[in-house]
Amino acid sequence: DAKTTQPTSMDCAEGRAANLPCNHSTISGNEYVYWYRQIHSQGPQYIIHGLKNNETNEMASLIITEDRKSSTLILPHATLRDTAVYYCIVRAVYNTDKLIFGTGTRLQVFP
Amino acid sequence: GAGVSQSPSNKVTEKGKDVELRCDPISGHTALYWYRQRLGQGLEFLIYFQGNSAPDKSGLPSDRFSAERTGESVSTLTIQRTQQEDSAVYLCASSGHSIQFFGPGTRLTVL
Repeated sequence: DAKTTQPTSMDCAEGRAANLPCNHSTISGNEYVYWYRQIHSQGPQYIIHGLKNNETNEMASLIITEDRKSSTLILPHATLRDTAVYYCIVRAVYNTDKLIFGTGTRLQVFP
Repeated sequence: GAGVSQSPSNKVTEKGKDVELRCDPISGHTALYWYRQRLGQGLEFLIYFQGNSAPDKSGLPSDRFSAERTGESVSTLTIQRTQQEDSAVYLCASSGHSIQFFGPGTRLTVL
């Protein structure tokens, strides 16, 4: 799996959009970008994934650059409950192999 | 149940004792994973079961660690002769396709 690079930490005001960047310059053509998050003392939670088109679901939006070397996870209206570590992972789709977690971005949402 | 369950939620043991951790995956999920997360660290892959294929044991840190899974159901992770360095949260996940769903974890403390 390709390696990803994320900022160590970010802050966001409650109600504002949180934009979490991820670099994956060595991504392969058959690899998707997945985002998970881990709220304190809980197991990781799947958020969203995409290949090259922008994706949106009830939790977040995923914007992938045209060259696919980077992406941004957007939480449109952050709440205090969104405070968590966010992990960006690249891997082949339809692949049930293990996930390789990096260090992620610790997002702190403040009132 | 609707999600992945793990038991016990907490386990305190003495150095040198054996422990067994249990994971009940989501019904119908063919893939099952064990990860370890030490305090303040990221997730480390331990072992992966996929259907009837031989498990991927490449993440097991030593021969004191072993895991079993019967068919597509329950899995147990066994740690023999526990050491203080084994203290961590042990997370189980299951997957039907490419998205992994995680359980709440078992917090193991070795005194």
